[in-house]
Amino acid sequence: QKEVEQNSGPLSVPEGAIASLNCTYSDRGSQSFFWYRQYSGKSPELIMSIYSNGDKEDGRFTAQLNKASQYVSLLIRDSQPSDSATYLCAPRGFQKLVFGTGTRLLVSP
Amino acid sequence: SAVISQKPSRDICQRGTSLTIQCQVDSQVTMMFWYRQQPGQSLTLIATANQGSEATYESGFVIDKFPISRPNLTFSTLTVSNMSPEDSSIYLCSVGGQGEEKLFFGSGTQLSVL
Repeated sequence: QKEVEQNSGPLSVPEGAIASLNCTYSDRGSQSFFWYRQYSGKSPELIMSIYSNGDKEDGRFTAQLNKASQYVSLLIRDSQPSDSATYLCAPRGFQKLVFGTGTRLLVSP
Repeated sequence: SAVISQKPSRDICQRGTSLTIQCQVDSQVTMMFWYRQQPGQSLTLIATANQGSEATYESGFVIDKFPISRPNLTFSTLTVSNMSPEDSSIYLCSVGGQGEEKLFFGSGTQLSVL
């Protein structure tokens, strides 16, 4: 079992729709969770962090965490073509972040 | 977040040579990390660069292949030694943010080995 699993995609959504990105992790000791966005040819950019079970909203982004199910998700409302990128899930393991392989999101105009 | 400058941004190298990548941060940071991102893959931690002591390497990475320097709290280098085509990858410098949990990344070095 991989430490962090994400559907590689691509996930295709029309402009204005909600994009839902999912991630499961194996380390039950993980307490902090991060979502990074990576445009093609660019370095990852931190967009969300979440530490407690439940939802955390920041603008058009909502992160959801369920530690019992070892599941974390990212919702992007009113998706824009500029949101087209790869989204990396990164739970914090022992002293380091462990990155998933990412989900490629395509938002069509 | 810190401003992280990484250079070179890209290089094409010959097999058997070495390349040193530099990472400069605009503020003092305790933790600096070096990651590798192979084509189509996610980020893999190579090592943690410790100021004043040897770097801490992850499983599968060794100092002879990836020597790291950390002379002060704002600068680090990663050398990729005796390169082979399998070393073709993006190498990323990163630093810890608030509480050292969040990571911020430099712009990366795209390395191609012929």
